[in-house]
Amino acid sequence: DAGITQSPRHKVTETGTPVTLRCHQTENHRYMYWYRQDPGHGLRLIHYSYGVKDTDKGEVSDGYSVSRSKTEDFLLTLESATSSQTSVYFCAISGQGQETQYFGPGTRLLVL
Amino acid sequence: DAKTTQPNSMESNEEEPVHLPCNHSTISGTDYIHWYRQLPSQGPEYVIHGLTSNVNNRMASLAIAEDRKSSTLILHRATLRDAAVYYCILRDVSRTYKYIFGTGTRLKVLA
Repeated sequence: DAGITQSPRHKVTETGTPVTLRCHQTENHRYMYWYRQDPGHGLRLIHYSYGVKDTDKGEVSDGYSVSRSKTEDFLLTLESATSSQTSVYFCAISGQGQETQYFGPGTRLLVL
Repeated sequence: DAKTTQPNSMESNEEEPVHLPCNHSTISGTDYIHWYRQLPSQGPEYVIHGLTSNVNNRMASLAIAEDRKSSTLILHRATLRDAAVYYCILRDVSRTYKYIFGTGTRLKVLA
C-alpha cells in the first residue's frame, strides 16, 4: 500500500472556525490532490499540487486553500468552515508517470 | 470533458464472473480509460486502465470496444470482498490532474 496518511481522521467543528487537514506521504511522489466526497456527487477535485509551492484549483475550490511547503505534506485549509463543507475528504498522490492515483483513508469532517 | 455513464447498481453471485459496463460515447483520442473501486469506508483504489487494447491484471480484465465508446470491467470470479462502488473514469493525458469521478456502479455480491 502507498504510504499516505491523513490527519485527523475525524473532526467535528463549528461554523466559522478555521480547519486544517493534513495529508502526509512517504512515497516522494510529485503530485498530490485533495478531493471531497458527498452522497450523489462521487469524488470532486478541490485543489491539487504538482510540486513544492506549486498548486492549482480543481472544480470545487471555493472556500478552500492549500499549501505545500515540502514534498511529503499537503495541507487543506477551510478558512471559515460552513455546514456545506461537511464531507469526507480524501487525499491522493501520483508519481511522475501519473498513471495511477493512490488514495488516503479519508477524513470525515462535520461542521455544525 | 468526456463523461462516462454506468448503471447505478448491479448484483452478482459469489464465484461467478461479473461484467461492469461503462459508456463513454464522447471519448477523445487522448483519453485513457481508468477503473477504480471504493470499498466501504475506504478511499478509492486503482483497478486497471487502458487506451485501446484489452488489458489484464491480477485483479480484473478490461475490454475496450473497437470504437472506444464503451468498455467493460470483468471480474472473473466475484468474491464477497469485491463488493464495492466501481468507477469508470476518463483521464486526458494532456491534463493529467483531471479525474472526473461519476457516481459509479455499486456492486453487491451475493453469497
